[in-house]
Amino acid sequence: ILNVEQSPQSLHVQEGDSTNFTCSFPSSNFYALHWYRWETAKSPEALFVMTLNGDEKKKGRISATLNTKEGYSYLYIKGSQPEDSATYLCAPEEDSSYKLIFGSGTRLLVRP
Amino acid sequence: DVKVTQSSRYLVKRTGEKVFLECVQDMDHENMFWYRQDPGLGLRLIYFSYDVKMKEKGDIPEGYSVSREKKERFSLILESASTNQTSMYLCASSLAGDNEQFFGPGTRLTVL
Repeated sequence: ILNVEQSPQSLHVQEGDSTNFTCSFPSSNFYALHWYRWETAKSPEALFVMTLNGDEKKKGRISATLNTKEGYSYLYIKGSQPEDSATYLCAPEEDSSYKLIFGSGTRLLVRP
Repeated sequence: DVKVTQSSRYLVKRTGEKVFLECVQDMDHENMFWYRQDPGLGLRLIYFSYDVKMKEKGDIPEGYSVSREKKERFSLILESASTNQTSMYLCASSLAGDNEQFFGPGTRLTVL
């Protein structure tokens, strides 16, 4: 079973600040890395799936990078807005597995 | 628009009761999953199913069973609810061979 760590556990920023958080995971048997965003009272929604070392993905003000050799991924939010407030979950996927292993998430609160 | 629905958003049961949590997806997905989420912990996989009538134990199956009689429906059963099963339960589905999972809104179960 993969040991997935996300940091920080929670983060409070001011509107307009840029922020980033980390997901670390064992690099052996790596297949893909998923990022999800989970707003309160809603369903978790997929943000990115990344598979290759050095991958970078972007969706609006949110971007993510992947380093499979050292076993980490960063999620960046540029110019945070209150609607970015959510818990951000990462979930690595092992090779030949149906399963995702979720980290405990980073809870982001953006103050207006 | 893809949709995963869960039968209840909130549920309160008594210790020892048999509890059924229902999940339905309308995307013709082969894979379905049940997770629980507790504070400070990631989503933990209870059971998953990759086909009708097929099921596999996840990481924390004790105290739970599942049923998948139809492709679109995956039920989680607590045979005799206990207070330590108070949690948020999330259902998800995905296509065979694709681990992007689509989540339901969750059921917050309280066992008194």
